[in-house]
Amino acid sequence: AQKVTQAQTEISVVEKEDVTLDCVYETRDTTYYLFWYKQPPSGELVFLIRRNSFDEQNEISGRYSWNFQKSTSSFNFTITASQVVDSAVYFCALRGNSGNTPLVFGKGTRLSVIA
Amino acid sequence: DAGITQSPRYKITETGRQVTLMCHQTWSHSYMFWYRQDLGHGLRLIYYSAAADITDKGEVPDGYVVSRSKTENFPLTLESATRSQTSVYFCASSEHSGRGGIQYFGAGTRLSVL
Repeated sequence: AQKVTQAQTEISVVEKEDVTLDCVYETRDTTYYLFWYKQPPSGELVFLIRRNSFDEQNEISGRYSWNFQKSTSSFNFTITASQVVDSAVYFCALRGNSGNTPLVFGKGTRLSVIA
Repeated sequence: DAGITQSPRYKITETGRQVTLMCHQTWSHSYMFWYRQDLGHGLRLIYYSAAADITDKGEVPDGYVVSRSKTENFPLTLESATRSQTSVYFCASSEHSGRGGIQYFGAGTRLSVL
């Protein structure tokens, strides 16, 4: 079975602080895909990144960076110099490569950035 | 570029009524999905469709019906709404085979069943 755990339910930081959102996953598939989505207060779900299991290189996009470590089954997301606009719920998701496995979401981490 | 649109954005209905939530995408994506989002559960898959006239159940399909007569539309029907179906519903579409395909989401429909 596929499972995604986001142990941090809520995080609050002061603007300009760095913050890391944790994501731990479980799967028996050797090929799988990991995703992060952002859900701002307006409610829509915005795609941030996709990573496949064969690509362990970390990725940086502006203030966002992602650390993928197969050894610990983790795909953590770091926001550097956080801003108020980063306040949102962030979801980590996993999709395996066997059969008709669906996209499985974690329960999300609510990030509040305080000015 | 309209993308993926859901209607209505908000709906209030009564127990036992039939309700249809609409989803339309302009990308010609093969795959479409319906999720519900509830506090404490995150997003859960209700139904998905790999192509026109091909649909399959997700994690929580009971009480819902879907159809896909055209590639661009994927309506979700609650045949006899119950209070437990009060939720936010998201439609999504995916560009290709689906495994690693990125799912793009609509803005959601907030449904209240009284």
